[in-house]
Amino acid sequence: KAGVTQTPRYLIKTRGQQVTLSCSPISGHRSVSWYQQTPGQGLQFLFEYFSETQRNKGNFPGRFSGRQFSNSRSEMNVSTLELGDSALYLCASSFTPGGRETQYFGPGTRLLVL
Amino acid sequence: GIQVEQSPPDLILQEGANSTLRCNFSDSVNNLQWFHQNPWGQLINLFYIPSGTKQNGRLSATTVATERYSLLYISSSQTTDSGVYFCAVQETSGSRLTFGEGTQLTVNP
Repeated sequence: KAGVTQTPRYLIKTRGQQVTLSCSPISGHRSVSWYQQTPGQGLQFLFEYFSETQRNKGNFPGRFSGRQFSNSRSEMNVSTLELGDSALYLCASSFTPGGRETQYFGPGTRLLVL
Repeated sequence: GIQVEQSPPDLILQEGANSTLRCNFSDSVNNLQWFHQNPWGQLINLFYIPSGTKQNGRLSATTVATERYSLLYISSSQTTDSGVYFCAVQETSGSRLTFGEGTQLTVNP
């Protein structure tokens, strides 16, 4: 069974640009969550999608948005990039949100904003 | 929101030594997971352990939910055990994982 996949793995952008990251969950999983990891703030929750609906959102500005497709694949978008958006972006998948089950993480997308 | 504290923040061991990592959390949880972050950044699942004890090879974990803590034991450590270990919890009222700040483990040959 394939794991969680994320594309691209590495990305370099400049301030003011926008970026779209993709996450494909484990087959059969319908819940996808996104996390940002930075040296200063650690791992922080961005948002969660289930059945194409955003169920939960972390404390991030509106420049961060996401969506989920009918095949459960999810994308997150960051507009008007800032230097502080440089981070490792991780997505996790599970069968259901809030379920008593293991969440599995993808390899991450490392974003560098210059 | 729920608070998660991990200790120690840093741990340096000689190969072959044993270690215990601790995770304290401030409220009841539905889910508690231990992860090892590899050098490329991926979070590798070690244990899903909201309560009880589990073992997997040289690693074992115990969560005492009533006292709101979990322990990760690493026995006969190897250099490949080096990296950051995270504890993450999911509150009973939500679905997001809240992570501790991690324990940076260095195992020297």
